[in-house]
Amino acid sequence: GQQVMQIPQYQHVQEGEDFTTYCNSSTTLSNIQWYKQRPGGHPVFLIQLVKSGEVKKQKRLTFQFGEAKKNSSLHITATQTTDVGTYFCAAGNEKLTFGTGTRLTIIP
Amino acid sequence: DTGVSQDPRHKITKRGQNVTFRCDPISEHNRLYWYRQTLGQGPEFLTYFQNEAQLEKSRLLSDRFSAERPKGSFSTLEIQRTEQGDSAMYLCASSLAQGGWGEQYFGPGTRLTVT
Repeated sequence: GQQVMQIPQYQHVQEGEDFTTYCNSSTTLSNIQWYKQRPGGHPVFLIQLVKSGEVKKQKRLTFQFGEAKKNSSLHITATQTTDVGTYFCAAGNEKLTFGTGTRLTIIP
Repeated sequence: DTGVSQDPRHKITKRGQNVTFRCDPISEHNRLYWYRQTLGQGPEFLTYFQNEAQLEKSRLLSDRFSAERPKGSFSTLEIQRTEQGDSAMYLCASSLAQGGWGEQYFGPGTRLTVT
């Protein structure tokens, strides 16, 4: 089955700094989804990317899907305390294979 | 609240006991999923239903696990003869699949502790 790796595992940033998490697969993906899980909470869907080289933005969040559809990234500009949580990428349609996640903590 | 609900939210059981969890999906959603999540890891797929049909089951799921969705609405996940390694958060999600996929909405989860 497909596997997705995420780096870094943890990221501590000062409030206002940028944050990026990367998702990599050894196989070509049909799509990639991103989820956010707040501490003590459940995963919440953020976005799905389908097309090669696709870039989507949601306010301060920018999502990219690689040209080869084997990697993806999530970039947050000017982090805020509300961005705290673990960000997961996930591959698949019905059966989602989640990455290991990047846990973001923010120093006020 | 019209989101996905799960019951109970917490369950502590002794090794060897059977446990059953319930998930109520968003009412119009035709797909229902079960995942398991351990500390520091992403959710791990267990099984999913389209309406009442169980379409896929993870090979990682032992025979002690069984799931049902008898009327295509709520679902139950039963674990027989629990083991300490079953301790985890069990997450349910639902989606309205159109054109092959649908955004999955997760419930709050049931945290199982096996002592």
